[in-house]
Amino acid sequence: DADVTQTPRNRITKTGKRIMLECSQTKGHDRMYWYRQDPGLGLRLIYYSFDVKDINKGEISDGYSVSRQAQAKFSLSLESAIPNQTALYFCATSDARTSPNVLTFGAGSRLTVL
Amino acid sequence: KQEVTQIPAALSVPEGENLVLNCSFTDSAIYNLQWFRQDPGKGLTSLLLIQSSQREQTSGRLNASLDKSSGRSTLYIAASQPGDSATYLCAVQAGTALIFGKGTTLSVSS
Repeated sequence: DADVTQTPRNRITKTGKRIMLECSQTKGHDRMYWYRQDPGLGLRLIYYSFDVKDINKGEISDGYSVSRQAQAKFSLSLESAIPNQTALYFCATSDARTSPNVLTFGAGSRLTVL
Repeated sequence: KQEVTQIPAALSVPEGENLVLNCSFTDSAIYNLQWFRQDPGKGLTSLLLIQSSQREQTSGRLNASLDKSSGRSTLYIAASQPGDSATYLCAVQAGTALIFGKGTTLSVSS
């Protein structure tokens, strides 16, 4: 099993629908991140969480929300999906106890909003 | 605001060639710089991490250098192979998160 698991791997939805992308990890890491990747734009940080009670906005948080249900689970929600949220979404984790702060990435969730 | 630029955006080479991928960043106040590999439909795999106090790191046929003062890093791939074909991403850590470049897509033909 993968250390960082993202579900679903692929999702097609319609404008206005609510979508949740889930991330779970078995690495015991305290830090979790959500990035989106767009062709030609690289990866951009949406939200990050350093522990269960800590949630922080990243570079492009508008239109997204997150929930850290447990140390091992971090979900990303699109309350009302729009076409320009079509992208590849990555969850990542890291361990605050180690330096340098190396991120482990999931395989990605491809979201298409029609 | 930290910005990371990778040149070239795409590169095609014949098998066996040595090649260099370039990464530049605008703010030298970084903790570290990382190079990742991304295969189509897959996640990111960390290749090399250079801490801000280091000048280079090596792993097998890969060598990454860091010149913080000039805001530049290079990834050198020796004796390229078709299996090296992928997108290579450079990312700098400044503060809490990684800032990524847009990547260089490498194609190695046999």
